[in-house]
Amino acid sequence: DAGVIQSPRHEVTEMGQEVTLRCKPISGHDYLFWYRQTMMRGLELLIYFNNNVPIDDSGMPEDRFSAKMPNASFSTLKIQPSEPRDSAVYFCASSLARAGNEQFFGPGTRLTVL
Amino acid sequence: AQTVTQSQPEMSVQEAETVTLSCTYDTSENNYYLFWYKQPPSRQMILVIRQEAYKQQNATENRFSVNFQKAAKSFSLKISDSQLGDTAMYFCAQGEAGNTPLVFGKGTRLSVIA
Repeated sequence: DAGVIQSPRHEVTEMGQEVTLRCKPISGHDYLFWYRQTMMRGLELLIYFNNNVPIDDSGMPEDRFSAKMPNASFSTLKIQPSEPRDSAVYFCASSLARAGNEQFFGPGTRLTVL
Repeated sequence: AQTVTQSQPEMSVQEAETVTLSCTYDTSENNYYLFWYKQPPSRQMILVIRQEAYKQQNATENRFSVNFQKAAKSFSLKISDSQLGDTAMYFCAQGEAGNTPLVFGKGTRLSVIA
């Protein structure tokens, strides 16, 4: 298995632009998580899905952030408009319901908003 | 609310020596999982070891082992025969049963010195 795939690996954009991050979970996994990592706040959950349905989006900072999972093999995290404080590493992770909460992480997307 | 605390921001160890990383957590649940993840400079999050709270036996994975003290809510990681490749950030994480999001500590930066 290829593991969790994220794209792009790096993204540099200017303030006000729309940014879309992409994730392909491990085939067969039924949970998908989006985390954000910053120096100040560490790793924190943004949103997670079960069987493509959003379960908890309380970690999404504000309305500028949105996430979708149109099917079991694809999810997007969109920031519109982006701001410098959104600069961080964004991780996608997936897990299998019967596997005891063991989450497999993608390589992350490093986002820089100028 | 769940919290995970890693009290050692940085540690160093000589190659071939043993080092222990500390972690404490707080949860009101009785059934949960604990994890140690390694994040090398590549920023990939790699699962090192996991522990189910209902198991009394401490988990081991080759040179990595844990000391799980449920009553004290303590979950330390011991690395034996440290290798240069063990140099990384180490994150302790806790998740409730049922594939809930993980709560991470702030991390411990471990340097293995030749």
